[in-house]
Amino acid sequence: EPEVTQTPSHQVTQMGQEVILRCVPISNHLYFYWYRQILGQKVEFLVSFYNNEISEKSEIFDDQFSVERPDGSNFTLKIRSTKLEDSAMYFCASSVATSGGFQETQYFGPGTRLLVL
Amino acid sequence: RKEVEQDPGPFNVPEGATVAFNCTYSNSASQSFFWYRQDCRKEPKLLMSVYSSGNEDGRFTAQLNRASQYISLLIRDSKLSDSATYLCVVNGGAQKLVFGQGTRLTINP
Repeated sequence: EPEVTQTPSHQVTQMGQEVILRCVPISNHLYFYWYRQILGQKVEFLVSFYNNEISEKSEIFDDQFSVERPDGSNFTLKIRSTKLEDSAMYFCASSVATSGGFQETQYFGPGTRLLVL
Repeated sequence: RKEVEQDPGPFNVPEGATVAFNCTYSNSASQSFFWYRQDCRKEPKLLMSVYSSGNEDGRFTAQLNRASQYISLLIRDSKLSDSATYLCVVNGGAQKLVFGQGTRLTINP
């Protein structure tokens, strides 16, 4: 069964450093997403991406964050100048499509656990 | 009001019991509804989509009441492997999923 993959599984970084989290979505999927989950809290939407551009983003997704699809398979989340509060599990997800207001199932990768010291 | 609100839990039930989870959502424009399960420190995994007419998948039954903006999940004949956190999820926009806090379920032998 096809699945979303993410690398690295764990990332430890110093405050102020830049990190890039990588994802390989399911191959025939067209929509890509990033979510985060701070320990003990709910999963929160960050951004959705379609046709090489951001289609929706949350208030969390400020100028510190950027996304890119550098080639035909990878989807990346860059966090510039990391802060302590960026420590969280970051999940990538992908879906086939959306149709009007209906959301097709989003499939999640195993996550990258980011720890900012 | 929270966008998606769930029973706080935790639920501790014996193996074989029936357990029910409830969820309410605030956005009346939402059109897609899901239950995901999440094991400790793992990714959310789709358990089932929820349709207006209600739907069943083996031991799991989901119901949707649009008028009350209420979603439910029933698990019959619970197994030890059902122990997880159950997430009520609603679409909050064209592409965004909004998650509830989750309800932790522990099935005891």
